Amino acid sequence: GEDVEQSLFLSVREGDSSVINCTYTDSSSTYLYWYKQEPGAGLQLLTYIFSNMDMKQDQRLTVLLNKKDKHLSLRIADTQTGDSAIYFCAETSGNNAGGTSYGKLTFGQGTILTVHP
Amino acid sequence: DSGVTQTPKHLITATGQRVTLRCSPRSGDLSVYWYQQSLDQGLQFLIQYYNGEERAKGNILERFSAQQFPDLHSELNLSSLELGDSALYFCASSGSIAKNIQYFGAGTRLSVL
Repeated sequence: GEDVEQSLFLSVREGDSSVINCTYTDSSSTYLYWYKQEPGAGLQLLTYIFSNMDMKQDQRLTVLLNKKDKHLSLRIADTQTGDSAIYFCAETSGNNAGGTSYGKLTFGQGTILTVHP
Repeated sequence: DSGVTQTPKHLITATGQRVTLRCSPRSGDLSVYWYQQSLDQGLQFLIQYYNGEERAKGNILERFSAQQFPDLHSELNLSSLELGDSALYFCASSGSIAKNIQYFGAGTRLSVL
């Protein structure tokens, strides 16, 4: 079945770059996503990448995808204290039985990013 | 603001009881997804509805059920509650069949005492 793994903790200094890594097992993954969860809040979609791309940049965020190694990373440039949160990697693959939607997201366990002043 | 509304924000109830969680998707989104977030299991997919019909089922217990109404809002019903059902329950909606971009509500925190 699908499995998504992330390292649990990352600590960086304000102004540095943060790199959060994720590996997945499902070779039929079509889209991969990064979500952010702040304390007591829901999941905020940060960015996503289609499996036939290897890079996507969106302001301070850069997503790199190595499909051969099934490795996804999220780089946050100029990390700020407001970036402190839990970051989830997620993937979706194929169609479900109904064929009208890709269905569920499979999430990693989340990486707790702590940014020190 | 994601545009997905979940009520109530918090629920405190006792074991053996039944509760209903409500979700209003983003305007125009036909798909609704329910997820459970707990410390030991992480984020787990429960069930998906598309335009009123069940489309996919995940790790949803038989004590749990859901439905999507003609106005596209959805309800998740949890019955015979156990202590282990205490968790954060998220609803997400998607309007893009191709990309499956899911937008999440703020969640309902359920505490079973």
